[in-house]
Amino acid sequence: SSELTQDPAVSVALGQTVRITCQGDSLRSYYASWYQQKPGQAPVLVIYGKNNRPSGIPDRFSGSSSGNTASLTITGAQAEDEADYYCYSRDSSGHHWVFGGGTKLTVL
Amino acid sequence: QVQLVQSGAEVKKPGASVKVSCKASGYTFTSYYVHWVRQAPGQGLEWMGVINPSGSWTNYAQKLQGRVTMTRDTSTSTDYMELSSLRSEDTAVYYCARDNSVAGTSWWLDPWGQGTLVTVSS
Repeated sequence: SSELTQDPAVSVALGQTVRITCQGDSLRSYYASWYQQKPGQAPVLVIYGKNNRPSGIPDRFSGSSSGNTASLTITGAQAEDEADYYCYSRDSSGHHWVFGGGTKLTVL
Repeated sequence: QVQLVQSGAEVKKPGASVKVSCKASGYTFTSYYVHWVRQAPGQGLEWMGVINPSGSWTNYAQKLQGRVTMTRDTSTSTDYMELSSLRSEDTAVYYCARDNSVAGTSWWLDPWGQGTLVTVSS
């Protein structure tokens, strides 16, 4: 089991807003980063730090954090956003790194 | 551009070892840590370990301790991940990814290599 907990699956209607969450004790001390992975492809960074987007990532992607929960929000989800999303941070010991179990996003 | 290019797919028998390479370009190799991540078929991402810029320090996931070795050749800007005593559960796509961090509070992996499929089968 992962020290970062994500809902296995989330769905959103086209054009609506969806929030994907990641819970873990380490998130009280460290920021999470978020990765999008489409079938057969390597993961791609979409959010890092407090709320930073790499160049080329649409501004409909945003991040936030409160207490032990980090969130990735997609405002106005598009069909191309259908993918698996993973959070990543240090583990609770602070000695290693860990991924959340992943959330499969379906855009209806 | 910043890029990580990995070696090709491997098929190994149980009990054998595999060594995957990851060649960096487009940035100062000796300024960045590199992590290794794997993904079994239909499963999530699993952090395996990290190597420091000089190659003098490594940190491995507890479940892989004793079987995994990460090294680097700074003369060729190439990282290596060797996994020994392979079993069927090690069948996965293996990725290298460059570490980025800020002030000990935030870490992110970017870019990633394209992935190397390692199949363990008798």
